[in-house]
Amino acid sequence: QKEVEQNSGPLSVPEGAIASLNCTYSDRGSQSFFWYRQYSGKSPELIMSIYSNGDKEDGRFTAQLNKASQYVSLLIRDSQPSDSATYLCAVNFYSGNTPLVFGKGTRLSVIA
Amino acid sequence: KAGVTQTPRYLIKTRGQQVTLSCSPISGHRSVSWYQQTPGQGLQFLFEYFSETQRNKGNFPGRFSGRQFSNSRSEMNVSTLELGDSALYLCASNREGRDTQYFGPGTRLTVL
Repeated sequence: QKEVEQNSGPLSVPEGAIASLNCTYSDRGSQSFFWYRQYSGKSPELIMSIYSNGDKEDGRFTAQLNKASQYVSLLIRDSQPSDSATYLCAVNFYSGNTPLVFGKGTRLSVIA
Repeated sequence: KAGVTQTPRYLIKTRGQQVTLSCSPISGHRSVSWYQQTPGQGLQFLFEYFSETQRNKGNFPGRFSGRQFSNSRSEMNVSTLELGDSALYLCASNREGRDTQYFGPGTRLTVL
């Protein structure tokens, strides 16, 4: 059974702080990793993907991947109230055309 | 480039009825995946279509079915609706050979 685990939260951070969201997955051979943001009542929106160990930065967002420890994290610098949303971690456990497995998401609340 | 579109956006049905949802992928994307999202279960994979063929299937009863047309548009059908089918149904598309998925706005189905 392929599983993706996330703390459901809510994770509350003050405006301007760094928000750290974590995700663990069950298979060390997993290939691709994604972070999506979902506002209440809306559909998931892709933030970024990561495929190799290490950090990947895109604006205020940094994804970190550690395949040996089977975790992937998302850091949001200078958090804004508009970042308040549920963040979904998704994993492709195989290569090629196989379904993504999603975690249940972490709810982030940025307090002004 | 236009994103993934889904129709209708909202549906209210009664138990025992059937429903058909439609999804048009991003231009050039030939793979379409369907997900069910509920508060308790999160995002669960229903099925994926590519080139008019179901390529992957999740763990849902046979009441859930789908198809894809030659222009890559896809439909999913739920027959004999149950109260538990109330959910947000999401369609996502991706380019062949790439596992990054882009979601449509979803169809909110309420079964009374």
